Amino acid sequence: QVQLQQWGAGLLKPSETLSLNCGVYGGSFSGHYWTWIRQPPGKGLEWIGEINHGGSTNYNPSLKSRVTISVDTSKNQFSLRLSSLTAADTAVYYCARGLIDSTGYPRLDYWGQGTLVTVSS
Amino acid sequence: VLTQSPGTLSLSPGERATLSCRASQSVSSSYLVWYQQKPGQAPRLLIYGASSRATGIPDRFSGSGSGTDFTLTISRLEPEDFAVYYCQHYGSSPLFGPGTKVDIK
Repeated sequence: QVQLQQWGAGLLKPSETLSLNCGVYGGSFSGHYWTWIRQPPGKGLEWIGEINHGGSTNYNPSLKSRVTISVDTSKNQFSLRLSSLTAADTAVYYCARGLIDSTGYPRLDYWGQGTLVTVSS
Repeated sequence: VLTQSPGTLSLSPGERATLSCRASQSVSSSYLVWYQQKPGQAPRLLIYGASSRATGIPDRFSGSGSGTDFTLTISRLEPEDFAVYYCQHYGSSPLFGPGTKVDIK
């Protein structure tokens, strides 16, 4: 059974940098797209970006200038950094596994538990 | 852009729910995904490839559609089905719809 466990600071000040980590337990780490998504309180989901085990990244164009996603294959972990925070970045941040199998149909099949990040002075 | 309608659907247990996801331009059905989210929980994968049920998803959930119009149908609502449902286009820059809330009438 695959489990994603995420951790990181939950209260940050404007202009600071968010840093979250996601550990992957069970299953293969290679062959997937490791993804970050966020959800402002009471609102919908926003895809932030993804990385594969080889380190190739793909970011949401609206966040690209502030986002860095990295991977540590030795620890089966991946990380999110989001810089120059404002109150608009307050959200629950989720990590998830992007799966593309023999069907060729991509989807996010396993999710972390979510981390509420609040940006406030 | 993905649009979901209605914004809220008020139904009773046992009724049929029909949720719509419309894309602003034609998309491949291979990349159309549906998720369910309950309060305080992470989203849960329901349907991928527009019509393939994910592992463990009951057969009362079905997906259909092509081009710009896609539908998630719940044939008979169970109490645990009252939740928010999101469609996603899993293209080169994945995008979620705004969601449809299914609540108890």
